[in-house]
Amino acid sequence: QSALTQPASVSGSPGQSITISCTGTSSDIGGSNYVSWYQQHPGKAPKLMIYVVSNRPSGVSNRFSGSKSGNTASLTISGLQAEDEADYYCSSYRSSSTHVVFGGGTKLTVL
Amino acid sequence: EVQLVESGGGLVQPGGSLGLSCSASGFTFSSYAMHWVRQAPGKGLECLSSISSDGGSTYYADSVKGRFTISRDNSKNTLYLQMNSLRAEDTAVYYCVKDYGNYVWAFDMWGQGTMVTVSS
Repeated sequence: QSALTQPASVSGSPGQSITISCTGTSSDIGGSNYVSWYQQHPGKAPKLMIYVVSNRPSGVSNRFSGSKSGNTASLTISGLQAEDEADYYCSSYRSSSTHVVFGGGTKLTVL
Repeated sequence: EVQLVESGGGLVQPGGSLGLSCSASGFTFSSYAMHWVRQAPGKGLECLSSISSDGGSTYYADSVKGRFTISRDNSKNTLYLQMNSLRAEDTAVYYCVKDYGNYVWAFDMWGQGTMVTVSS
């Protein structure tokens, strides 16, 4: 069982927007701004998409946005494209263990 | 070009030891925290161990505490992971990962991964 809870799968049609949730506790997401999101295509290493809740690294499309409310973080992808189909993982610093924990991952299917 | 290249993976028997190395290039290695993250076949990500930019602080997941040791040599731009008392559940792809800063806890560069298989 993963430390952070994500839906196993989400889907959307090209051009639509989808949101992936990531639920933790007051010891991680609720108490930290060190929340990140990663995209992983099959057979590839993960790619950082969002850091510190809502910041995009250079080169990441502005179709990707992050937010946080209480113990839940969210990743929103607008204008879905076929290449967005991948697994997405959230992570958060956890103060009780002074380390990072990940969610179990969400498989995004673009219909 | 920023690059992380892992080496040292392979097949090892339960109870055995293995050492991983990660050679870094294209950035000022000594300025960033570094991490080891693994992914078991068909499973999610697990951050195993982290080390500060100067090597002065380290962190371990409970699953590897006491068995794995992270270290770095900033003069050689190299990160290490010594793995002892290996178990079947340690079978995974092991990634060397660069922090966005010094413990920003965001992983902005990943190696290609090296497979570790623990089996008799």
